[in-house]
Amino acid sequence: EAGVAQSPRYKIIEKRQSVAFWCNPISGHATLYWYQQILGQGPKLLIQFQNNGVVDDSQLPKDRFSAERLKGVDSTLKIQPAKLEDSAVYLCASSLWKTSTDTQYFGPGTRLTVL
Amino acid sequence: AQTVTQSQPEMSVQEAETVTLSCTYDTSESDYYLFWYKQPPSRQMILVIRQEAYKQQNATENRFSVNFQKAAKSFSLKISDSQLGDAAMYFCAYRSALLAGYALNFGKGTSLLVTP
Repeated sequence: EAGVAQSPRYKIIEKRQSVAFWCNPISGHATLYWYQQILGQGPKLLIQFQNNGVVDDSQLPKDRFSAERLKGVDSTLKIQPAKLEDSAVYLCASSLWKTSTDTQYFGPGTRLTVL
Repeated sequence: AQTVTQSQPEMSVQEAETVTLSCTYDTSESDYYLFWYKQPPSRQMILVIRQEAYKQQNATENRFSVNFQKAAKSFSLKISDSQLGDAAMYFCAYRSALLAGYALNFGKGTSLLVTP
């Protein structure tokens, strides 16, 4: 079974530029999560989708971050314009939406450096 | 809001020895799940072990076991017979059981160093 795929693995941009990350979840997984992991900290949820609908985006900085999940499969996370404090690893995870014991599976992440 | 605290930023263990990583959490819920995730330097998070709060029996997975103390809101991870491949960041995480698909709430992590 293929895991969660993310691209690119690394991205370096200058502040005020825009950037987009892509995630392909495990086939059949209805729930998709984007987490931000700042160096030295645990991951923090940015947004959660069930199929193509948003379940929780309360911690997403909506003035600069946006995300979509078209057709309930792949998802993209965009930052525009980027700030220095956005430097982090962006993790995508997916899970089934069947029982409360469902496991979240994580992708390898995208390391973003904002100069 | 639930908070997860890992008070040990770094731990070190010799190969073949046993090490215990600590985690405490704060919640007003009675039903929830607790997890330990491992994140090697390549950054892919891997589930190590899971504990359901309604179960009194501590979870075990091969060399990994937990000590779950619900009243004390404590959830420690014991790694027995440590191996070089166990070196990684370990994150304790909490998830509500109220609804399927709830996101994870992570602690800050403990960096585990395994020495030969």
